[in-house]
Amino acid sequence: GIQVEQSPPDLILQEGANSTLRCNFSDSVNNLQWFHQNPWGQLINLFYIPSGTKQNGRLSATTVATERYSLLYISSSQTTDSGVYFCAVEVRGGGATNKLIFGTGTLLAVQP
Amino acid sequence: NAGVMQNPRHLVRRRGQEARLRCSPMKGHSHVYWYRQLPEEGLKFMVYLQKENIIDESGMPKERFSAEFPKEGPSILRIQQVVRGDSAAYFCASSQGAGNTIYFGEGSWLTVV
Repeated sequence: GIQVEQSPPDLILQEGANSTLRCNFSDSVNNLQWFHQNPWGQLINLFYIPSGTKQNGRLSATTVATERYSLLYISSSQTTDSGVYFCAVEVRGGGATNKLIFGTGTLLAVQP
Repeated sequence: NAGVMQNPRHLVRRRGQEARLRCSPMKGHSHVYWYRQLPEEGLKFMVYLQKENIIDESGMPKERFSAEFPKEGPSILRIQQVVRGDSAAYFCASSQGAGNTIYFGEGSWLTVV
């Protein structure tokens, strides 16, 4: 099956710093989403980004589907950015199945 | 506009009991997915359902686990005769269909004692 690898596995930042998280996937995918799981366990949609670049406030994401990777940029990080960041790719299974395969996650801790 | 609603948020069961987790998809969504997150791991796909149909259950354990999405009412994930290894967060998600954003609920945390 498809492999989804994220790097780095964990990251510690000082408040105000910038960071780039990477997601590599081993096969062609239909779509890709980025999620933030906060310390309370909630999963929050960040981006739905099968290709190209999107921006939302301090966050932006770029997916290069032909090269099988996606990047999530966090600028001017805040303590509320702490948590685990997952990328998930949508694969086409048998018949009409569309499901997300999650990456290994990046654990981010932003220190004041 | 309510999002994906899951209940209960937290559930404690003794070994051998049954656990039932419920999920109401977002309004207008007819596709429901269940995922499991074991401690300190990523989310793993379990099952994909549309109204009254199981489309893909390739991620479901072969025994004790079942899921349904009836014509009326929420989707139910049922775990019979729970064991300690079933302790996990169970997330439900919904979408309008293929190629659309998948939205997750806040999860149901099952603890088996």
